[in-house]
Amino acid sequence: EAQVTQNPRYLITVTGKKLTVTCSQNMNHEYMSWYRQDPGLGLRQIYYSMNVEVTDKGDVPEGYKVSRKEKRNFPLILESPSPNQTSLYFCASSDRSPNQPQHFGDGTRLSIL
Amino acid sequence: RKEVEQDPGPFNVPEGATVAFNCTYSNSASQSFFWYRQDCRKEPKLLMSVYSSGNEDGRFTAQLNRASQYISLLIRDSKLSDSATYLCVVNTDSSASKIIFGSGTRLSIRP
Repeated sequence: EAQVTQNPRYLITVTGKKLTVTCSQNMNHEYMSWYRQDPGLGLRQIYYSMNVEVTDKGDVPEGYKVSRKEKRNFPLILESPSPNQTSLYFCASSDRSPNQPQHFGDGTRLSIL
Repeated sequence: RKEVEQDPGPFNVPEGATVAFNCTYSNSASQSFFWYRQDCRKEPKLLMSVYSSGNEDGRFTAQLNRASQYISLLIRDSKLSDSATYLCVVNTDSSASKIIFGSGTRLSIRP
């Protein structure tokens, strides 16, 4: 089954404790992206990747890092999480570019205390 | 001005009604347009792409007006299951790498 898999689905943690949210897709998609969704603000792009070893900042990259060492994986790293990073996070992928429809993971609900 | 703007609603309409939403975008160089549907606390799912000539998929019709820089979604014969938030998505960068989501329009269909 074609899918984008995020882990964990839910995480409650404390300020400053490094965490990684994993994202994996099995569709051989080149384009992958991370979004955060907050009430009233919609989805905002954090980082995106056009292909392996190619990553770029989206609209709200501060406080986040990503890597794309393999085509299928695109982890989101919070080196020193803060409460303003409490949000619902989605990973997405699409074939070749975001001109193609994106497939989303189920989301990760992150709470930073 | 926001790059992509939608009326947040909520739109509360009776079952069987026709409802339409618009979404305006600011960058005239935008290349691709989509409507996604998002149920509460779930991931967005593609509803339909929006093509220059307009396109239809069953009860759903999408239109693009480049001159006025907006896209629209029309839902005919609305069903209870159409209740959701509808997200307008625009590629705002000519290099086709940057995607902007609207904040969404909430639709509630009542029996």
